[in-house]
Amino acid sequence: AQSVTQLDSQVPVFEEAPVELRCNYSSSVSVYLFWYVQYPNQGLQLLLKYLSGSTLVKSINGFEAEFNKSQTSFHLRKPSVHISDTAEYFCAVRYINTGGFKTIFGAGTRLFVKA
Amino acid sequence: KAGVTQTPRYLIKTRGQQVTLSCSPISGHRSVSWYQQTPGQGLQFLFEYFSETQRNKGNFPGRFSGRQFSNSRSEMNVSTLELGDSALYLCASSEGQGLSTEAFFGQGTRLTVV
Repeated sequence: AQSVTQLDSQVPVFEEAPVELRCNYSSSVSVYLFWYVQYPNQGLQLLLKYLSGSTLVKSINGFEAEFNKSQTSFHLRKPSVHISDTAEYFCAVRYINTGGFKTIFGAGTRLFVKA
Repeated sequence: KAGVTQTPRYLIKTRGQQVTLSCSPISGHRSVSWYQQTPGQGLQFLFEYFSETQRNKGNFPGRFSGRQFSNSRSEMNVSTLELGDSALYLCASSEGQGLSTEAFFGQGTRLTVV
């Protein structure tokens, strides 16, 4: 069975500090990996995704994530956070099962950026 | 293009009642998925529809059902509501089906069961 574990439920950090949100997954089949962000009272928005090729993927707002196959991880990082990055972040994997395509999400990590 | 629209945004129901939630996907998108979001549980997959057919289903009781219409709009129904059904229900649409398919989410319907 496939699963996604986000190791931290909450991450408080000061503005301009670096941050890492951790994500580990377990899968017996090939998966594609995603990070989504949810701002208060909003739905989820795609932040970045890893499909193939370079294991380091970047978003337009300074976030990056590295796919590590041996450690089955896809951690999200940002070298310097802003107040506006305060949100909940979800790691997700997408795979094929007998029923078709399926996406499962981690429990989420709430990033709280303090001034 | 308009985004994914979910109605209503907020709903309060009494235990034992039933509820229907609606989702209008982005124009041209044929796949619609539903998720239940609760604090600490993250998003739990309910079901996915593509071209009016349910293609995948999560581990929810039969009280949770859905359907998709020919215009790709989707509805989700929960019968005999329980207090534990209180959650944010999110709908996501995508152009088609595929491993790399990006999902676009609506703002959700917040259901409170009292």
